[in-house]
Amino acid sequence: AQSVSQHNHHVILSEAASLELGCNYSYGGTVNLFWYVQYPGQHLQLLLKYFSGDPLVKGIKGFEAEFIKSKFSFNLRKPSVQWSDTAEYFCAVKWAGGFKTIFGAGTRLFVKA
Amino acid sequence: NAGVTQTPKFQVLKTGQSMTLQCAQDMNHEYMSWYRQDPGMGLRLIHYSVGAGITDQGEVPNGYNVSRSTTEDFPLRLLSAAPSQTSVYFCASSSLTIRDYGYTFGSGTRLTVV
Repeated sequence: AQSVSQHNHHVILSEAASLELGCNYSYGGTVNLFWYVQYPGQHLQLLLKYFSGDPLVKGIKGFEAEFIKSKFSFNLRKPSVQWSDTAEYFCAVKWAGGFKTIFGAGTRLFVKA
Repeated sequence: NAGVTQTPKFQVLKTGQSMTLQCAQDMNHEYMSWYRQDPGMGLRLIHYSVGAGITDQGEVPNGYNVSRSTTEDFPLRLLSAAPSQTSVYFCASSSLTIRDYGYTFGSGTRLTVV
């Protein structure tokens, strides 16, 4: 079955620390990959997406993600986090030929000021 | 403002009651879907639709019905609410004709079944 795994459920960082959140999906084929962010009390917003081309994609607010096809991974990174990055982050995958998008369980990030 | 509108924002139901969660979008998106969000489980797909008159089941469809009579609206019906349906429900829409398009989410409905 199609599934998406996020490695860490909770991450606590100090401001200016670097961030990397892991995401793996269950099997290959052509995929569309997404990271969404949910700030406290708000709905999900698209952070970045990969459809094709350069496997290193840049999103809003200084976030980037790298697609490694051989590892079925799409890890999210940010060189220096801010307190305002405190949120829950969701990885999502849509396999080509289908309509459904499968989400990971989410990673709650707390950034200490 | 263009986007996805969900109503109500909060709802408390008694076990066995029925209700409809409303979702409307004004972006002419073909694809609409309903997810439920539970702690530690991420978002799980309930039902989705790729156009008016076309719906299909997602990962957790039991206890929920949907219909899509127009492009704009995609209501989710709980026929007989159960405490296990206590959750936050999100409606999301997307274009199927613009290839690299992610979801636009509504603001959510927090449902408590007692």
